[in-house]
Formats: sequence, structure tokens, C-alpha cells
Amino acid sequence: AQSVSQHNHHVILSEAASLELGCNYSYGGTVNLFWYVQYPGQHLQLLLKYFSGDPLVKGIKGFEAEFIKSKFSFNLRKPSVQWSDTAEYFCAVNANTGNQFYFGTGTSLTVIP
Amino acid sequence: DAGVIQSPRHEVTEMGQEVTLRCKPISGHNSLFWYRQTMMRGLELLIYFNNNVPIDDSGMPEDRFSAKMPNASFSTLKIQPSEPRDSAVYFCASSLMSRAEAFFGQGTRLTVV
Repeated sequence: AQSVSQHNHHVILSEAASLELGCNYSYGGTVNLFWYVQYPGQHLQLLLKYFSGDPLVKGIKGFEAEFIKSKFSFNLRKPSVQWSDTAEYFCAVNANTGNQFYFGTGTSLTVIP
Repeated sequence: DAGVIQSPRHEVTEMGQEVTLRCKPISGHNSLFWYRQTMMRGLELLIYFNNNVPIDDSGMPEDRFSAKMPNASFSTLKIQPSEPRDSAVYFCASSLMSRAEAFFGQGTRLTVV
């Protein structure tokens, strides 16, 4: 079965600091990869996705993620965080052969003004 | 499109009562997912449907939980009888199998007292 690991459970940063959230998955086949964001009290929204092609994916609000196939990783980055980035971030995997989404446990990001 | 619509947004019920959560997926989507989110366990996949057929219900915690999808535009998640430990936010999501990206509803916050 597939699994998704997010190693950072809670991250606290000051505004303008750089962000990198780790995501590793276990699946030997072709996968689609996603990062979702959940702002306080809201539903999950898609930040970015990777299906194929350029492994460096750019999403909304200045976020990007890099797919490294050899490391089974899809880390999320942002060069300079803002207070409004305070939210929960979820990495998700979906195998090309099926449509079941596997989510990581989430990383809570708090940005201090 | 209005997105994935869930109702009710909030539900407070007494232990032992039956609870029914409703979901209307995005028109044209053929996969539907039910998730439960708690602080302790994060985001858990309960069940998902492809073309109205339940594919994997291994995440359903126990027989008190049941889900149906009578047609492509409606699904229900029922808990009978409800217990305090069922208190959580329940999310419904839908996707096009070919596109794989999941869109989430606003969630139903269930409190069982």
C-alpha cells in the first residue's frame, strides 16, 4: 500500500524566512503528487500538483515543489513566508493506476509577524 | 460550478442519535471521497466511490458508519448510533479519474455530546 510521510509536524517561522516542508512517499509505480493547504477553519485547497514533465512545479502564492524520483520526495518550498501562510499543509499521492488519494499527516506552519 | 457542497456545515447531536452527512460532488466528476479529520489522527480516508460504486471502505471505522452514493450527484455518510468519539470534521471530495486532482467541500463539523 502507498504511504505518505511528512516529517515536520509543526514549524514556526518568522516572516520573510524561507520554508521547506518535507514529503516522502512509498510507491514503486508512477504517481501524481499534490500539496494542499488548509487555512484555519477552512477546507483543503490545492497549492500545486505534479503529474509529469518538469520536476520543479510552481503553484499559487509563490510556493513551489520539487519531485525527486530517486528519493521518493516532493518537498514544498517558499523563499519568503508571510503571516498569511499560517496554515496546515498536506502532501498527497495518487497512483496513476487508481484514484485513491493518500494524504500525509500534515504540517502545521505558524508564521510570526 | 459551485464546487463540492456539503451539508450541514455544523451538526450537534446527542450520543445514540443517527447522523446523516450529505455531499454533492462537482458535476461531471466520477470519483467521490469521504474523509474524517481530527487533531489526533489527522486526515483519514473513510471510503471512496468510482462511478457511484464503493471501491474501498477499509477506512470506515466500524459498522456504525455507512456510506451510499445512489447517483452521480449525491452521497451520504451515516453514523448510527453516534458516539462522542465520532466528533470530527468530515470532508467530502470529488475528482475526475482522468485528472486525479481532488476538490474538497467545506466540511461538516460534527459534535456528539
